[in-house]
Amino acid sequence: LAKTTQPISMDSYEGQEVNITCSHNNIATNDYITWYQQFPSQGPRFIIQGYKTKVTNEVASLFIPADRKSSTLSLPRVSLSDTAVYYCLVGDLGGTSGTYKYIFGTGTRLKVLA
Amino acid sequence: DTGVSQDPRHKITKRGQNVTFRCDPISEHNRLYWYRQTLGQGPEFLTYFQNEAQLEKSRLLSDRFSAERPKGSFSTLEIQRTEQGDSAMYLCASSLESGLAATNEKLFFGSGTQLSVL
Repeated sequence: LAKTTQPISMDSYEGQEVNITCSHNNIATNDYITWYQQFPSQGPRFIIQGYKTKVTNEVASLFIPADRKSSTLSLPRVSLSDTAVYYCLVGDLGGTSGTYKYIFGTGTRLKVLA
Repeated sequence: DTGVSQDPRHKITKRGQNVTFRCDPISEHNRLYWYRQTLGQGPEFLTYFQNEAQLEKSRLLSDRFSAERPKGSFSTLEIQRTEQGDSAMYLCASSLESGLAATNEKLFFGSGTQLSVL
């Protein structure tokens, strides 16, 4: 099971700012928070990664509160082409290897309307 | 193109046949992951490698599935005696594991192989 929880879907209009929140109550000290975007018939694509406070790149911003139990992906001024599924991931140490792997949840389906 | 490549892009097979998929990761990446994805679901973890060593295989994975990564470069995923329930997109990803015991890897995915079992 994924260690993260996200809303199943969201709708927005072009030009609006979209904020998608992810809950990761059991995040470990060594965990970074990584967001991916996936379009139909394509593999997920890395968007942004952070450990604490705020990270910004040319695509998005990531806000992480001090307790790190949640994070918010912010997409400024979305366009129709931002319609996709967005996944929030942290590492998973469960299993037999003793190393981290990455378990995806069902993600958030963002639909941008004209 | 120096991204992750997967071959074939599409595979149609009859139930009971064996299929093999190939993944070529980004050359300097030491980790390679296989995921399976069905419509409306997130990618489901199957297995992963660090160099040539297979570190873990999902407990949900049938013995009909096997993966290899000889010489720590490309990887193959074989499904024996395919069943209709195996129909899915099979995704490969690679990453550079930092060795810092931190989950700051960035996974780079291929476009996947779409398997249809008739």
